[in-house]
Amino acid sequence: KQEVTQIPAALSVPEGENLVLNCSFTDSAIYNLQWFRQDPGKGLTSLLLIQSSQREQTSGRLNASLDKSSGRSTLYIAASQPGDSATYLCAVASGSRLTFGEGTQLTVNP
Amino acid sequence: ETGVTQSPTHLIKTRGQQVTLRCSSQSGHNTVSWYQQALGQGPQFIFQYYREEENGRGNFPPRFSGLQFPNYSSELNVNALELDDSALYLCASSSGLAGVKETQYFGPGTRLLVL
Repeated sequence: KQEVTQIPAALSVPEGENLVLNCSFTDSAIYNLQWFRQDPGKGLTSLLLIQSSQREQTSGRLNASLDKSSGRSTLYIAASQPGDSATYLCAVASGSRLTFGEGTQLTVNP
Repeated sequence: ETGVTQSPTHLIKTRGQQVTLRCSSQSGHNTVSWYQQALGQGPQFIFQYYREEENGRGNFPPRFSGLQFPNYSSELNVNALELDDSALYLCASSSGLAGVKETQYFGPGTRLLVL
């Protein structure tokens, strides 16, 4: 059974800081890994998708890496802004489902 | 391009009642998945529909059932509601073949409260 763990559970940083969110998974037989953002009480917004054959993806200030053999992914956020405050979820895709971690709640203080 | 929409946005029911949640997939998408997200937790997979057929189911009891229509919209039905069914219910759609090889696009969710 696939298990996904995200560390840390919560993170508070000052504006402008670079930060890294971590995700680990137990079964490397995945199609892809997707990072999502969730604002309080809202749905999920897809940030980045990394195929299992890829090592990283970039979008603006976001960079996500994938090491499938070790079951790890990181989401790097450069020059953080208060608008980045949200919960960040990683999810691994296999079969017909996404398996999610419990998320990292990020607060960026002005 | 219209995104994934869900209705209603909020719902209050009492134990033992039945509820139907609705999802309209993004234009051109033929696969719909449903997830349950309890407060403070990650979403849990309920089931997926591909071209009107169930294509995979998570660890949920049979009182959770679904449908997908020819226009690829979908319904989630929950019978005999329990307090623990209180959660945010998320719908996701994608294109291509069945499964989750493509990017999943999520709707805003339906918040269900069972009293």
